[in-house]
Amino acid sequence: AQKITQTQPGMFVQEKEAVTLDCTYDTSDPSYGLFWYKQPSSGEMIFLIYQGSYDQQNATEGRYSLNFQKARKSANLVISASQLGDSAMYFCAMREGASGYTNAGKSTFGDGTTLTVKP
Amino acid sequence: GAGVSQSPSNKVTEKGKDVELRCDPISGHTALYWYRQSLGQGLEFLIYFQGNSAPDKSGLPSDRFSAERTGGSVSTLTIQRTQQEDSAVYLCASSFRTGSETGELFFGEGSRLTVL
Repeated sequence: AQKITQTQPGMFVQEKEAVTLDCTYDTSDPSYGLFWYKQPSSGEMIFLIYQGSYDQQNATEGRYSLNFQKARKSANLVISASQLGDSAMYFCAMREGASGYTNAGKSTFGDGTTLTVKP
Repeated sequence: GAGVSQSPSNKVTEKGKDVELRCDPISGHTALYWYRQSLGQGLEFLIYFQGNSAPDKSGLPSDRFSAERTGGSVSTLTIQRTQQEDSAVYLCASSFRTGSETGELFFGEGSRLTVL
């Protein structure tokens, strides 16, 4: 079964508008971290934001926020006030952490969502 | 160096030849990953090293693929008898696992492999 599911292969957003990129995850590990990365056409992977499984508040980093709904196992990325430079592929990832679990420490990525910002 | 270093950045080879791709992680990072990414696609997990534990090789697509990590630092991914479907960008990433939930991955710039 997919551990990380990103259901939107491609998304379009108008410049200056907000956009939500979906991510759901699956784990039995009580301790995990959720990450979002951006990959522009140049190819480098850029870390955007992190949410820990025990964090009470949603993570925010500038224009990025993570809508963390633990019971639903979703970790959607919200980008506010989109800019042309936000056009890229976005990956959701999960790192399972508790020792003793088979996948402790291993990071798993979703298939990505390609975001295009229209002027 | 300051970041994850991969070499070569580009490799063109003929079908059937062996290739070695090198990754030099950030100093002190205990976790090291290899991923493969075909054009416009997601990241395909290949192998994961964590400290002195046995590596997780569950993502290696065939026995032509192998990887080692010497001294807990530099890693080499070897592809034997390359095939055209091996053409992709091979990304290496490392992280410093400080606890159960922290540690984003730091990626290298990738090695682009083209098999003719």
